[in-house]
Amino acid sequence: DTAVSQTPKYLVTQMGNDKSIKCEQNLGHDTMYWYKQDSKKFLKIMFSYNNKELIINKTVPNRFSPKSPDKAHLNLHINSLELGDSAVYFCASSQGLGDYPLNEQFFGPGTRLTVL
Amino acid sequence: AQKITQTQPGMFVQEKEAVTLDCTYDTSDQSYGLFWYKQPSSGEMIFLIYQGSYDEQNATEGRYSLNFQKARKSANLVISASQLGDSAMYFCAMRDQEGNQFYFGTGTSLTVIP
Repeated sequence: DTAVSQTPKYLVTQMGNDKSIKCEQNLGHDTMYWYKQDSKKFLKIMFSYNNKELIINKTVPNRFSPKSPDKAHLNLHINSLELGDSAVYFCASSQGLGDYPLNEQFFGPGTRLTVL
Repeated sequence: AQKITQTQPGMFVQEKEAVTLDCTYDTSDQSYGLFWYKQPSSGEMIFLIYQGSYDEQNATEGRYSLNFQKARKSANLVISASQLGDSAMYFCAMRDQEGNQFYFGTGTSLTVIP
């Protein structure tokens, strides 16, 4: 069984469109994240949710809106897509906040978004 | 502010030899976690190894070991007996004391030469 799953794996769309990426984890983790990985492979955190509550919201255009219907799901909706949004988007999850030992993140397979 | 530094953008190693990938970190937290991830060309992020800030022994997982030098704030990854399948991007990461954020380095691209 896949621990962290994302759909779709590939997303090709036109500039100006709205799209969503879905993420689900079956690990029972409390915390979920969205990362953007650019063409230089740099991983940038976008959002983090703990038990459906937003706890990290980095400087991300408000065209990006995360939604967590329950602690096992964290979806990412992107409005008015721009060329610069082309990247790989990773969902991840981890257990615990501030509890030592500090556990690792598990990543989904990534969604490669291409905006034309 | 938390920070992870990987100074080696690219590394080459001969098959069957050992290689060390460097990672230094900056934090004022007492409690933190250090991690290494592997990203092969297929794109997935694979967790390799974890070291807690209070762990006195260096972590080991099979051919991977983490050379943790707390005073120097370094957490180097050592891969022994390199294999062709080790060719990938490697990321060092740190989880802070609050636990709600991971900080990633810029990665090191490792190429194993036959």
